[in-house]
Amino acid sequence: DARVTQTPRHKVTEMGQEVTMRCQPILGHNTVFWYRQTMMQGLELLAYFRNRAPLDDSGMPKDRFSAEMPDATLATLKIQPSEPRDSAVYFCASGLRIDRHYEQYFGPGTRLTVT
Amino acid sequence: DQQVKQNSPSLSVQEGRISILNCDYTNSMFDYFLWYKKYPAEGPTFLISISSIKDKNEDGRFTVFLNKSAKHLSLHIVPSQPGDSAVYFCAASAKGYSTLTFGKGTMLLVSP
Repeated sequence: DARVTQTPRHKVTEMGQEVTMRCQPILGHNTVFWYRQTMMQGLELLAYFRNRAPLDDSGMPKDRFSAEMPDATLATLKIQPSEPRDSAVYFCASGLRIDRHYEQYFGPGTRLTVT
Repeated sequence: DQQVKQNSPSLSVQEGRISILNCDYTNSMFDYFLWYKKYPAEGPTFLISISSIKDKNEDGRFTVFLNKSAKHLSLHIVPSQPGDSAVYFCAASAKGYSTLTFGKGTMLLVSP
């Protein structure tokens, strides 16, 4: 049963600390997405990669967020320094092209709380 | 500016009845629409989709209707079951684009 995995599932940290979230996409999927879910904004796209190359990270606050894909089995999202307003659930999804469109498969999310 | 809108934050329905979840979009470039279902502490899971060349797609108890002229789609669940209680997200993509634009979701509660 192929699934997207994310670690950690929960993270509580103090303001100013670095946070790293990890994602293992489904094997064979060539597109990886990072989303943030908040009550106010719903699901927001932060960044995405195709074939490990970053295609769009315009949804991320550039000064503190960074996303990388060091290899095909690992995507990371880092926040440094973290702030209370970063508290949210962060989802990773991997995608597969079906006909002319992509279907996305989501991981279980990382719930981040910054105090 | 929200391009995909789900104007009802919540919906309550009795078991066995029909649930109708609505979604409106503003971007004329969208040509593929999806519904995702999300349980607490889990990621969204794909439920059903529809291409703009169709006006209806059915999968078991789930049917999605698309009205392109009104830029409106709806998800019908018949009959509703308590296990359908979840948050439902409407999403859309444009031809050639791999990204999805999501609505804010509608929480469906199906009571026994």
